[in-house]
Amino acid sequence: AQSVTQPDIHITVSEGASLELRCNYSYGATPYLFWYVQSPGQGLQLLLKYFSGDTLVQGIKGFEAEFKRSQSSFNLRKPSVHWSDAAEYFCAVGRNDYKLSFGAGTTVTVRA
Amino acid sequence: DAGVIQSPRHEVTEMGQEVTLRCKPISGHDYLFWYRQTMMRGLELLIYFNNNVPIDDSGMPEDRFSAKMPNASFSTLKIQPSEPRDSAVYFCASSYLQGSGELFFGEGSRLTVL
Repeated sequence: AQSVTQPDIHITVSEGASLELRCNYSYGATPYLFWYVQSPGQGLQLLLKYFSGDTLVQGIKGFEAEFKRSQSSFNLRKPSVHWSDAAEYFCAVGRNDYKLSFGAGTTVTVRA
Repeated sequence: DAGVIQSPRHEVTEMGQEVTLRCKPISGHDYLFWYRQTMMRGLELLIYFNNNVPIDDSGMPEDRFSAKMPNASFSTLKIQPSEPRDSAVYFCASSYLQGSGELFFGEGSRLTVL
């Protein structure tokens, strides 16, 4: 069975500071990995995805994520956070059958 | 494109009433998904369709829940009878390319059952 763990429920970061969100997965094969963002009252939007190849993936809004097979991790990073990055972030794992398993989410608060 | 459109955005109903949630996927997308989001259980996949055919409904919690997709541009999720524990945000999502994994989500329907 596939599963995703996001160890941090809530992170507070200062505007302009760097951000890293952790994601660990459990999967029997090479997974497809995703990061989605959800702003208040909105649906989820895809930030980036990893299927294969280069383990450092670039996404929208200046985000990147690195796949580390040895650590079963897919951490999300942003070098400099903007106030508009305040949202909830979800890591997801799946395969091409579309049955994505989502983590519990990490809420990011940005302080001025 | 207008994106995935869901209605109603908010629904408040009393226990025992029938609830119907509606979804219009993005034109050209051939996969449609219904998810439920709660604080306790997070995001759960309820059911998904490919070319209007239900592929996997193993996430549907019980017989009170049913979903249909009569054509490529419309789907419904029905709860009958509704119970307070069904209170959640229900998301519809669609996708267009097999294996891409990118789901396009609607803004959700927030259901409150009193």
